Amino acid sequence: DQQVKQNSPSLSVQEGRISILNCDYTNSMFDYFLWYKKYPAEGPTFLISISSIKDKNEDGRFTVFLNKSAKHLSLHIVPSQPGDSAVYFCAAREAGSYQLTFGKGTKLSVIP
Amino acid sequence: DAGVIQSPRHEVTEMGQEVTLRCKPISGHNSLFWYRQTMMRGLELLIYFNNNVPIDDSGMPEDRFSAKMPNASFSTLKIQPSEPRDSAVYFCASSLVGGMTYEQYFGPGTRLTVT
Repeated sequence: DQQVKQNSPSLSVQEGRISILNCDYTNSMFDYFLWYKKYPAEGPTFLISISSIKDKNEDGRFTVFLNKSAKHLSLHIVPSQPGDSAVYFCAAREAGSYQLTFGKGTKLSVIP
Repeated sequence: DAGVIQSPRHEVTEMGQEVTLRCKPISGHNSLFWYRQTMMRGLELLIYFNNNVPIDDSGMPEDRFSAKMPNASFSTLKIQPSEPRDSAVYFCASSLVGGMTYEQYFGPGTRLTVT
C-alpha cells in the first residue's frame, strides 16, 4: 500500500513557465515532507522541505505548499529552466521515526 | 565537503556470486540508510543504522541480504548468493538525526546487474 503517491509519472513545461508537481499521502502521522531532485546516474539531491506546522516554504524559485486537510503537497518551480529537467521525488517522515517514505517520482521535462 | 561515497559505481556479476556494496557516509552524520531503486517498486528502504546499530531491517528482502556498519565511517551491503531479480540501483544515504530537520543525503548509487 503506497503511503506517498505521485500520480503523474511525467510532466512537460515550457521554459519560463511554472512547473507544479503534486504529491498525495495517506498516513496522518506524517509530520515532515521533503522534495528531492534526481538526475540520471546520480543520487537524489535534497531540494526543499516543510514541517506540518507550516503550509508554505519558499527557497528561491522553489516553493512547497502543504494542505494537511487534503493530505496533499505540491512543489512549484517558477520560472522553470531547462536545468530543472529531472525526476522529482516527494518524501515524508512519520513522527518519531528516522525513516523517509518516498513516492515513485515525476519526471519533469522543461522545454527550451 | 565530501558527500556520501559509494563503491563500486557499477557491478556486473553472475547468478550465485557474492556481491558486496560499500558506503562511506558524510563525516559527523549518525544515521545511515540503504535503499534499492527499481522501476516496479521505486525507492524502498532496506535497512537503517543509528550510531552504527541496525535499527530496522524489515525492508531487507530475504536472508541472502545482510548489512554491517563496523564503524561510523563505513558500511557494507552484501548479497549472497545473488540472483537476477536483485538487479537494481542501490543507494546509500546518511543523515544527522536529532535536530528538527530530517534530510538524508544520498550517494551516487551502485548499479548492480546480475546475469
